[in-house]
Amino acid sequence: DAKTTQPNSMESNEEEPVHLPCNHSTISGTDYIHWYRQLPSQGPEYVIHGLTSNVNNRMASLAIAEDRKSSTLILHRATLRDAAVYYCILVSNFGNEKLTFGTGTRLTIIP
Amino acid sequence: GAVVSQHPSWVICKSGTSVKIECRSLDFQATTMFWYRQFPKQSLMLMATSNEGSKATYEQGVEKDKFLINHASLTLSTLTVTSAHPEDSSFYICSARLAGGPYNEQFFGPGTRLTVL
Repeated sequence: DAKTTQPNSMESNEEEPVHLPCNHSTISGTDYIHWYRQLPSQGPEYVIHGLTSNVNNRMASLAIAEDRKSSTLILHRATLRDAAVYYCILVSNFGNEKLTFGTGTRLTIIP
Repeated sequence: GAVVSQHPSWVICKSGTSVKIECRSLDFQATTMFWYRQFPKQSLMLMATSNEGSKATYEQGVEKDKFLINHASLTLSTLTVTSAHPEDSSFYICSARLAGGPYNEQFFGPGTRLTVL
């Protein structure tokens, strides 16, 4: 599986935008970029995913570089409830349904 | 939205006993469920892939005779930790993939914290 690289931790002030980066320089053409997050003592939850174009949903936006070697998860207005570990994961479109979790980015929100 | 439950949410047992953890997809059918283990301050590690009606596929290094997985229906998978020892103490999380779903989105349960004394 292609690997992803994320910063170990980030901090952001409450009600400000947060940009969480992810590098995936060995991504293949059939890999989707998925983001999950895990709140303390809970199972992960799906945030967003994309292939080539930028994506928006009610939780976040995903900006994908033109060469697809990096992407950025954008939380437009962080709240205290967004404090979590965010995982950037590449998922093959060819039936490989396994999610390989890296270390993720621990996001701390400062009130 | 798709909801996955786990039971129990936490369990404490004595060394040598067996513990069963249930994973249910409440409002959808899941042909594939996954079992993960997470030690404190570490990431999730996939243990096995459970397919309804067939044998589970275990990841390298996971003992299939110790971690018994049964996926008897499209909404239920169980993980039994046999002869549990303190080193098996961990946070066990299951996930389910929506059958026929267009993407590989997985829905996760809330996790089961196992403590073996």
